[in-house]
Amino acid sequence: DGGITQSPKYLFRKEGQNVTLSCEQNLNHDAMYWYRQDPGQGLRLIYYSQIVNDFQKGDIAEGYSVSREKKESFPLTVTSAQKNPTAFYLCASSRTPGRTGQETQYFGPGTRLLVL
Amino acid sequence: AQSVTQLDSQVPVFEEAPVELRCNYSSSVSVYLFWYVQYPNQGLQLLLKYLSGSTLVKGINGFEAEFNKSQTSFHLRKPSVHISDTAEYFCALHAGGTSYGKLTFGQGTILTVHP
Repeated sequence: DGGITQSPKYLFRKEGQNVTLSCEQNLNHDAMYWYRQDPGQGLRLIYYSQIVNDFQKGDIAEGYSVSREKKESFPLTVTSAQKNPTAFYLCASSRTPGRTGQETQYFGPGTRLLVL
Repeated sequence: AQSVTQLDSQVPVFEEAPVELRCNYSSSVSVYLFWYVQYPNQGLQLLLKYLSGSTLVKGINGFEAEFNKSQTSFHLRKPSVHISDTAEYFCALHAGGTSYGKLTFGQGTILTVHP
C-alpha cells in the first residue's frame, strides 16, 4: 500500500540536542511538507519542498532544518535553537507542486516530540 | 493575507443527531477550501474539498459542506453522526496565486459524539 511513514512515533530531546524526524513516502509525489501542530492552534507550515534538492521556509522555520536529497525522503531536524520544540509534527506530500493548490495533501501519522 | 476561523473549539452531540461545524475564512483572492479529519494521535485525512462549480460538496463518511462566497463560509454538516465520527476537524484554505500548495489551517473543532 502506498503512503507516508514517519518515525519514530515518540521522540525525546535533551537540552541542547539536535534531533531528526524521518518522513518517507512511496506515493511518487513531488511535493513534501512539514507542519507543526500545537493544541488549539491548528497546523503551521515549517518547511516545504517542491522538488528534489530544493526546499523553502514556511511560516515558522526558525530552529528547524531540512534536506531533500531523494524524492521519497524529507527529514526534519529540530535544532537546539528551537526553544519550544514540544509538539506533534506532521509530514505531508502532494502529487505536484505549483500554483494550482488543487492537489490533496496526504499526511503521515505524525511524530510527537517531547523535551526531557 | 488569508485566515481561517473555526467558530467552535468543541462541539458535543448525541449519536444520530445532525451536526454542523462552522468555518469562516478571509482572503482577498480566490480560494480553494478543504476539510480534514484527525483521529487521536493520527495524521489528517481529507474529508472533502471545494475547488469550483457546485457550492455543495459531498465527501466521505456522509459529510458535506457548502461554500458561501458572500458570507465567506464553508460549514461542514452531517445529518446523522456516529460514535466513530468523534475526532478533530480542520478547515483549511489555499489562496489563489500562491506559488506552492500552501494551506492555511483553522484552529480545529473537536467533535465528541455521545451515545
